[in-house]
Amino acid sequence: QKEVEQNSGPLSVPEGAIASLNCTYSDRGSQSFFWYRQYSGKSPELIMFIYSNGDKEDGRFTAQLNKASQYVSLLIRDSQPSDSATYLCAVKLRGREKGGSYIPTFGRGTSLIVHP
Amino acid sequence: GAVVSQHPSRVICKSGTSVKIECRSLDFQATTMFWYRQFPKQSLMLMATSNEGSKATYEQGVEKDKFLINHASLTLSTLTVTSAHPEDSSFYICSARDTGTGGIYTEAFFGQGTRLTVV
Repeated sequence: QKEVEQNSGPLSVPEGAIASLNCTYSDRGSQSFFWYRQYSGKSPELIMFIYSNGDKEDGRFTAQLNKASQYVSLLIRDSQPSDSATYLCAVKLRGREKGGSYIPTFGRGTSLIVHP
Repeated sequence: GAVVSQHPSRVICKSGTSVKIECRSLDFQATTMFWYRQFPKQSLMLMATSNEGSKATYEQGVEKDKFLINHASLTLSTLTVTSAHPEDSSFYICSARDTGTGGIYTEAFFGQGTRLTVV
């Protein structure tokens, strides 16, 4: 089992719909979880992070974490064509510390296409 | 947020030559910087951890003699791809964490990435 798994997609949703992106992770002891957006040819940019079970909302984005199920998701409300990108889930796994910092392990990313 | 500047953004080089990529933290000090590589449609893979004033630590399978890392100051790390081959063509991304903060809840910031093409 891969440490961080995501469906590669593409996930295609119409403009204005809710896009739901999912991620599972293998280490039950993981404590911090991140969602990045990466446009083609660009570096990832952090959208949200979540540490506690439940939902965390920021504008049109909601991150959901369920540690019991080892599952983290990202909901994008009112999807826009500009949201079309690859969304990377990253998890800071136990034991992955280097230089005093826990190294995030990235999933392969889910390609999201929002069509007008 | 903090800014990490990576240069160049794109480089094309001939097979057998060397290419240097710079990663700078612009408004914070970074004791540790990280170098990633990303092949098309693949995830980010950590190559090495760059430590200011000491040797870099490399991930398994990454040739340290081929990917030379120098972290001479708290704001600059460089990655040199030596004797480049076409299979080294990839997207290289650095990230850095603000030394002034710490703990598992601190997130690193990414540079803009460097697209390396070896012909």
